[in-house]
Amino acid sequence: SQKIEQNSEALNIQEGKTATLTCNYTNYSPAYLQWYRQDPGRGPVFLLLIRENEKEKRKERLKVTFDTTLKQSLFHITASQPADSATYLCALEGGSYIPTFGRGTSLIVHP
Amino acid sequence: GAVVSQHPSWVICKSGTSVKIECRSLDFQATTMFWYRQFPKQSLMLMATSNEGSKATYEQGVEKDKFLINHASLTLSTLTVTSAHPEDSSFYICSARVRGLAGGQTQYFGPGTRLLVL
Repeated sequence: SQKIEQNSEALNIQEGKTATLTCNYTNYSPAYLQWYRQDPGRGPVFLLLIRENEKEKRKERLKVTFDTTLKQSLFHITASQPADSATYLCALEGGSYIPTFGRGTSLIVHP
Repeated sequence: GAVVSQHPSWVICKSGTSVKIECRSLDFQATTMFWYRQFPKQSLMLMATSNEGSKATYEQGVEKDKFLINHASLTLSTLTVTSAHPEDSSFYICSARVRGLAGGQTQYFGPGTRLLVL
């Protein structure tokens, strides 16, 4: 069955460092991969979308990579700030165009 | 950017009552809306896909008679939890898309509705 794995353990980093979050998947051939941010008690907010034929996408301090051979996406936040603390969800979308979400990884940036 | 609202944000009800949650796209027309539920520290679980003017498509294991979805207009979808029970307590989130079931679109999420059934 299709599976999306995000590290369930929180990632703790120091302010100013680069945070790297991982999204692995199995039994899936996604055409698109998206990353969302979710704050406690709130709905997710879209951050970035990357297509299967793209290797990398950037937006300000954010960078996403997509390796369809490794079946993995990495999400980077450079020069992290305490305000970046949140849960980050990856979502994969295939032929049905209905995305499936991972469980998310909590990021905690310490001042 | 596109804004999706949900109402109410919080609801506490007695077991056996029905609860209606509204999802509105405020500044765009949403051909397709999705309803999710989320338990603490869990992923978003898709409940149903709702297209304007047609019946919702429910995911496996979701009772359509329990969770009634109405997508009456391009800006409004409602989810009614009928005869709610404590196990229905959860965080319900809707999302909306502009171009329906086409690939690579951003989903605009509402802020969620916390339901507590006593």
